[in-house]
Amino acid sequence: GAGVSQSPSNKVTEKGKDVELRCDPISGHTALYWYRQSLGQGLEFLIYFQGNSAPDKSGLPSDRFSAERTGGSVSTLTIQRTQQEDSAVYLCASSPGFEPLNEKLFFGSGTQLSVL
Amino acid sequence: RKEVEQDPGPFNVPEGATVAFNCTYSNSASQSFFWYRQDCRKEPKLLMSVYSSGNEDGRFTAQLNRASQYISLLIRDSKLSDSATYLCVVNGGITGGGNKLTFGTGTQLKVEL
Repeated sequence: GAGVSQSPSNKVTEKGKDVELRCDPISGHTALYWYRQSLGQGLEFLIYFQGNSAPDKSGLPSDRFSAERTGGSVSTLTIQRTQQEDSAVYLCASSPGFEPLNEKLFFGSGTQLSVL
Repeated sequence: RKEVEQDPGPFNVPEGATVAFNCTYSNSASQSFFWYRQDCRKEPKLLMSVYSSGNEDGRFTAQLNRASQYISLLIRDSKLSDSATYLCVVNGGITGGGNKLTFGTGTQLKVEL
């Protein structure tokens, strides 16, 4: 597709369940970012991929959060044993990756996660 | 102190007004700067990069003041369609081989008739 695609667009889950969020970046973009945004709050950095490797995992809130990227394309963010405080919009963005200090991010429309 | 700070607003202005937002950042080694726009319940979209010499894109002008560590966004002749949240973004440089792009919490603008 032309843009960043995220699925599902909405996910309602019960506390304690695991969830997987998917991101398809723009074709050819080597850099991929995950952020989350709670209601009325700013974007919180989670993790960054360059190709399949994640140089910066500093934003992952706890060891319940993990992410992987395969084939330099699709990325999956997994949250294990979800908690109510995990409820937020999870945003994925990609960028071309060839201007490390001038990267312009293209965002997907996000996954709204609600943990009951 | 937050890495990137913005006045949350809202800024309520009449159509046609000129409005300016500031954003301060704490990391003096920050390398690049951007303004993004986020409409209600939508994803952020790049508005413009901010260069040291200042840059203009139509009604929008961005400025960078490295000495005082702030960037600004000026919107002239405000339109109703400019109503949105404006996010300041700072690239703190490479950490562990990757970019560290930090977003401010945003400044809300409401343009009214």
